[in-house]
Amino acid sequence: AQSVAQPEDQVNVAEGNPLTVKCTYSVSGNPYLFWYVQYPNRGLQFLLKYITGDNLVKGSYGFEAEFNKSQTSFHLKKPSALVSDSALYFCAVRDRGGGNKLTFGTGTQLKVEL
Amino acid sequence: GAVVSQHPSWVICKSGTSVKIECRSLDFQATTMFWYRQFPKQSLMLMATSNEGSKATYEQGVEKDKFLINHASLTLSTLTVTSAHPEDSSFYICSARDAGRAYEQYFGPGTRLTVT
Repeated sequence: AQSVAQPEDQVNVAEGNPLTVKCTYSVSGNPYLFWYVQYPNRGLQFLLKYITGDNLVKGSYGFEAEFNKSQTSFHLKKPSALVSDSALYFCAVRDRGGGNKLTFGTGTQLKVEL
Repeated sequence: GAVVSQHPSWVICKSGTSVKIECRSLDFQATTMFWYRQFPKQSLMLMATSNEGSKATYEQGVEKDKFLINHASLTLSTLTVTSAHPEDSSFYICSARDAGRAYEQYFGPGTRLTVT
């Protein structure tokens, strides 16, 4: 069975500092990996995905993530955080071997302070 | 980009009544739609997967007679919560997969259900 772990319930960062939100995954085959962001009482907004190719993926709003196969990680990063980045972030994985389901991590609350 | 809408965005109903939530893909055809449930400050839990024209596949522990899912067309899926109880109060989110782009999955804005 596939699974995703987001080890941090909350990450606090000062505005202008770099941020990292951690994600590790487990699948039986090669993964599709995704990051989504959720603002209060809203659905999920797509940030970026890793399908194949370059391990460094660039996405929306200046976010990027690096696929590391040996460490089974897909950490989300941004060089300079904004207060408006404060939200709930979900990592998700789908087994590209034919599985139909996205499995989500438990989410990480990002708080960016002035 | 692909857009998924949900209606209503929020609903309050009395215990024992049924509530229908609609999920529409506005600018693409969705052969597969997914229904998720999210409790406060928790992750999304997949309830069921529906394919157009066939019966939905429910996740373990989800009562199919309570959460009726219909996917009658390539752009519309509905979730009906039957005989709702306060414990059904939750945030329900649908998602649709673009038939032409198998790895893309788009999410609706969610429906807040409160059962009194």
